[in-house]
Amino acid sequence: GNSVTQMEGPVTLSEEAFLTINCTYTATGYPSLFWYVQYPGEGLQLLLKATKADDKGSNKGFEATYRKETTSFHLEKGSVQVSDSAVYFCALWDSGGGADGLTFGKGTHLIIQP
Amino acid sequence: NAGVTQTPKFRILKIGQSMTLQCAQDMNHNYMYWYRQDPGMGLKLIYYSVGAGITDKGEVPNGYNVSRSTTEDFPLRLELAAPSQTSVYFCASSPRPHLGEAFFGQGTRLTVV
Repeated sequence: GNSVTQMEGPVTLSEEAFLTINCTYTATGYPSLFWYVQYPGEGLQLLLKATKADDKGSNKGFEATYRKETTSFHLEKGSVQVSDSAVYFCALWDSGGGADGLTFGKGTHLIIQP
Repeated sequence: NAGVTQTPKFRILKIGQSMTLQCAQDMNHNYMYWYRQDPGMGLKLIYYSVGAGITDKGEVPNGYNVSRSTTEDFPLRLELAAPSQTSVYFCASSPRPHLGEAFFGQGTRLTVV
């Protein structure tokens, strides 16, 4: 079956630090990959996506590259802000899985201190 | 532009009670989903629908039922509430699941005591 593994949190950084949140996956087909963000008290929002190997998704200063050879989709940002504090979820949708919905990792809680 | 609307936002149920979590979307999306989110466990798919009149089980369907009589509405029914159903429930919709563009509601926090 499909699965997503992401680094455990919480991750605590100072403002302007470099961020990496690791994500690896297993899939039966050829998945599309996503990062979602959940701010306190809210639902999830799509942050960025990549639908094929070597694609780079980017949004709001965040980036992630679809690496098929390492089955990874690590999230990076060069300089984090306090407003980036949230829970980040790596997810996949497997084209071989029909309309089963997204498979999510457990989430990484990011805390940015001023 | 309302997006995905869930009601209620909070609810406390006693063991054995029943309730329906409401979900409505105004984006004319065919695909709709119910997830539950438990601390440290990510989101688990309960049920999903690919269009009006069509529903199917996800990863954790036991104790729940759904219906999809219209494109807009996708209610989730708990028949006999149990403490294990204490969770945060999210409804989502998508126009194109292969692109992962799922739009989520703000969630319903349910406590069963």
